[in-house]
Amino acid sequence: SQQGEEDPQALSIQEGENATMNCSYKTSINNLQWYRQNSGRGLVHLILIRSNEREKHSGRLRVTLDTSKKSSSLLITASRAADTASYFCATASIGDYKLSFGAGTTVTVRA
Amino acid sequence: SAVISQKPSRDICQRGTSLTIQCQVDSQVTMMFWYRQQPGQSLTLIATANQGSEATYESGFVIDKFPISRPNLTFSTLTVSNMSPEDSSIYLCSVKGQMNTEAFFGQGTRLTVV
Repeated sequence: SQQGEEDPQALSIQEGENATMNCSYKTSINNLQWYRQNSGRGLVHLILIRSNEREKHSGRLRVTLDTSKKSSSLLITASRAADTASYFCATASIGDYKLSFGAGTTVTVRA
Repeated sequence: SAVISQKPSRDICQRGTSLTIQCQVDSQVTMMFWYRQQPGQSLTLIATANQGSEATYESGFVIDKFPISRPNLTFSTLTVSNMSPEDSSIYLCSVKGQMNTEAFFGQGTRLTVV
């Protein structure tokens, strides 16, 4: 079942700008993950941040995690047209192997 | 990482019929899952496919409607039975190697029921 809420639901930006999206969740987690989905295809894993980490970088991606607020953010810097996709956060609760996905943010990058 | 081949990629089916979706992984994996993504929505877990035993279904999903097989550690099928237009969704196969790691997804099956 879904436990995450994401905002905004949709985001439209100009190429080169940064895109920020947020995810909130409800239970204690072991880790939080971000995925990208292009045009209703399969999901691609972007980054995983563990509950004892506060920030993580991967290329143009920066993820933060605030376990006290049960929230995370994903920042995509210097966006490109190819970043146009839906982005989902997913949480893994402590002791649970299953992932629970947020509602997703649809990002459109205009050339 | 794992490479997942899921087929068919899309299908249009008549109501009342059944469709079986296949998921083949290029390596042995412990955990395999089936998700449904209704139009414009997020992913909802249908069940965990267990090798050699009955699948574990999430609340709201039942075996009679979504029978699942997993004969070995690299292959699983999901059948959508007695379909209605409400079953029109993307169905996704996913695997995980270990509990606290990332998941890998097939390309999905886009099902339209008419």
